Amino acid sequence: NAGVTQTPKFQVLKTGQSMTLQCAQDMNHNSMYWYRQDPGMGLRLIYYSASEGTTDKGEVPNGYNVSRLNKREFSLRLESAAPSQTSVYFCASSPQVPGDGYTFGSGTRLTVV
Amino acid sequence: AQSVTQLDSQVPVFEEAPVELRCNYSSSVSVYLFWYVQYPNQGLQLLLKYLSGSTLVKGINGFEAEFNKSQTSFHLRKPSVHISDTAEYFCAVSDVDSNYQLIWGAGTKLIIKP
Repeated sequence: NAGVTQTPKFQVLKTGQSMTLQCAQDMNHNSMYWYRQDPGMGLRLIYYSASEGTTDKGEVPNGYNVSRLNKREFSLRLESAAPSQTSVYFCASSPQVPGDGYTFGSGTRLTVV
Repeated sequence: AQSVTQLDSQVPVFEEAPVELRCNYSSSVSVYLFWYVQYPNQGLQLLLKYLSGSTLVKGINGFEAEFNKSQTSFHLRKPSVHISDTAEYFCAVSDVDSNYQLIWGAGTKLIIKP
């Protein structure tokens, strides 16, 4: 089925370790997003990519980097994980056409100990 | 700047009772409005959206929402809820000022009591 695929689904890291969360979409969407979701905080935008070759900071970018590898793939990197980055991470994509919504991946549950 | 307010963080309701989840937004231009649902341990999926035309929008699973421009609201309703409706519901708005990115509310957890 067409959609947004995130890997891994679960990950436990030690403080200071690094890792990359992968996201790929097969809907030919222009825009891609990374969110984190914490209890009682709703969705908070980390980074987004309006189109291939561009990336921009969202509401909570500190401690993260992103790469828009091509139109399909948008990765999120934690260079030195901290316990405050324990969260559920969602990738989403959108054609960025007025009135179109987002398609979300199933999420990555990350725990930093 | 745009913002979305979901007035209730949790709404408990008995099974087979009606429910309304409230959403208000701020925007000075024409808007597109969305409701998403997130079932436990899953990603978000689109429930319904308002683009233009009829102010009453019907979505999946028997949900509907009404756009009220004068009150800047887009409340979600269902006449009879089921245990399977237990989820978190997010309201979102987009317009030209947000470059059509979605601005999200904080979410409302719908808790169905048997």
